[in-house]
Parts: sequence; structure tokens; C-alpha cells
Amino acid sequence: ILNVEQSPQSLHVQEGDSTNFTCSFPSSNFYALHWYRWETAKSPEALFVMTLNGDEKKKGRISATLNTKEGYSYLYIKGSQPEDSATYLCALGTGTASKLTFGTGTRLQVTL
Amino acid sequence: NAGVTQTPKFQVLKTGQSMTLQCAQDMNHNSMYWYRQDPGMGLRLIYYSASEGTTDKGEVPNGYNVSRLNKREFSLRLESAAPSQTSVYFCASSGHRGEKLFFGSGTQLSVL
Repeated sequence: ILNVEQSPQSLHVQEGDSTNFTCSFPSSNFYALHWYRWETAKSPEALFVMTLNGDEKKKGRISATLNTKEGYSYLYIKGSQPEDSATYLCALGTGTASKLTFGTGTRLQVTL
Repeated sequence: NAGVTQTPKFQVLKTGQSMTLQCAQDMNHNSMYWYRQDPGMGLRLIYYSASEGTTDKGEVPNGYNVSRLNKREFSLRLESAAPSQTSVYFCASSGHRGEKLFFGSGTQLSVL
């Protein structure tokens, strides 16, 4: 069983703050690293899929970086808004990557 | 715009009863998955099907069986439900290995 760790577990920020989360994973046999956004009472939705060391992806105010050699990925949110409140999941694909191992998520709450 | 359709949304079972969770996707995806979500734990893979005609065990397969009926449909069966199977179940699909997952809306299952 692969150990995919996310930190912090939860985060509470004010509107306009910028924030970042970490996903740590074993670097051997790496195939892909996924980030998902999961709002309460909804289903997880994909944000990014990254496969190359040094990859950087951006979607609006949200961006992510990947370091496969040291086994971590960062997710950044610039100028947080209340609608960013959600749980952010990372997931690791290894080997044939037919299956993903998820972390337990970082729960973000953005208040006015 | 159906995407991944999962039924039922809610179910209450008595210990020992059986049931089948249905999942269908209309995106012509090759791979389909069943995950369970429990408090404090990440999404854990029960079974997956990398392509039509194949199924493989995930991290927590005990007590479950699956059927990849055709390319569209992937069902999960609980033959004799146990309280430990109380959870939220998500079906997901992806085009090819390593690509982002699309999730169904989830099934909240309680086993009394």
C-alpha cells in the first residue's frame, strides 16, 4: 500500500489570502500525480494531472508544481475566495497507473 | 452531459442482505473504478477494470464482487452486507490509464 500524505489536514484562511498545500509520495515507480477538488455534497473534480518532473500547471488562480525526484507536489491558490472552500485531494499513479492511490485531503475553508 | 451515472444515491441494508450498485458512463472510457470513502481516510480503491473484459482487485476488495458488463457499465455487488461496509461509494471512469478520473455522484450505504 502506497503512502500518499497531504498536509495540512485542514486550513482556514481569509478571503484574499494566498495559500498552498503539500502532497508527499514515494518517488519510485512514478507515473502521474493528480489533483482533485471536492466540494461538500458533490463529487471530486479533476484539477490537474502531472506526469513530468518540474511540471507546472495553472487553472485560473490555482496552480500546481511537481517534483518527482524528491516525491512532492504543491498546490497553490492565489487570492482565495469563499467558493474555493473544498477538500483538495492528491492521487498518485504508479507503474501501469491503471489505479490511483489517494491522500486523505486538505480541507480548505475561506471566510469573508 | 450525463457523464458517470451511479445508482442508487442512498441505501439502507440489514446485515446479511445483498445488493448491487450500478454505474454507467457515456464517455466511451476504457477504465472504470469503484472507490469507498470513510471518515478520516482517503478514497480507497475496491476494484477496477482497466478495459472491457478485465477486472482487478484494488486495496480493499474483500466482501465485494464486480462485473464489467460492457464498456459502459461496471457494477459492484455486496453478497452479504456487513456493518463495516457502511460507507460512501463512488464509481469513476477514465479514458486511458493515468488520465483524470470522472466521478459519479456517490452512493451513501448504511448497513445496520
